[in-house]
Amino acid sequence: QVQLVESGGGVVQPGRSLRLSCAASGFTFSSYGIHWVRQAPGKGLEWVAVIWYDGNKKWYSDSVKGRFTISRDNSKRTVYLQMNSLRDEDTAVYYCAREEVRSPFDYWGRGTLVTVSS
Amino acid sequence: DIVMTQSPDSLAVSLGERATINCKSSQSILYSSNNKNYLAWYQQKPGQPPKLLISWASTRESGVPDRFSGSASGTDFALTISSLQAEDVAVYYCQQYFSTPPLTFGGGTRVEIK
Repeated sequence: QVQLVESGGGVVQPGRSLRLSCAASGFTFSSYGIHWVRQAPGKGLEWVAVIWYDGNKKWYSDSVKGRFTISRDNSKRTVYLQMNSLRDEDTAVYYCAREEVRSPFDYWGRGTLVTVSS
Repeated sequence: DIVMTQSPDSLAVSLGERATINCKSSQSILYSSNNKNYLAWYQQKPGQPPKLLISWASTRESGVPDRFSGSASGTDFALTISSLQAEDVAVYYCQQYFSTPPLTFGGGTRVEIK
């Protein structure tokens, strides 16, 4: 069955870095774009970044552009989110989700919590 | 950026009654070549990730009860639960996937039992 499993979350001080992973199984990974979506405590959903199925295109929200980098390793069926210069407002549960081209997110992971605090 | 505006922020409905959630896009999300609205509805229960309920504004995903339905009129969209059940208590989000980046969500609507 389709599975997306996030890992790498934790508590980190402002200004530090963290790398999240999204491990996929149960589908043809190299055929899907993968998005990161975050949810601050008690808040709504905020789209963060996307990487195309082949890794050739990547886009970011304005709130993370220049600080976060998305990448993928299709041989490991994993997408990464490198988060640098973390701020208090980056505190959230980070979900990865898959997208077939120009379609909604049909599968989501369970999320990993990132807490930015001194 | 396309802004998605949901209303109301919350609503309380009696069991068995109808619940309607509205979502308005700031511009058309209808792709003329296929006549599809690029609008999805998600359900999120506490402690869980969002679950896709409806895509293309009105197409129910496999396994979603038929009491859930989606409709569209121009840039106005609605999710209707025809007969609210206890397990439908959740936050519901609309999302446009017509124009990315950025891909945008509505602010969410919390549905509770009256």
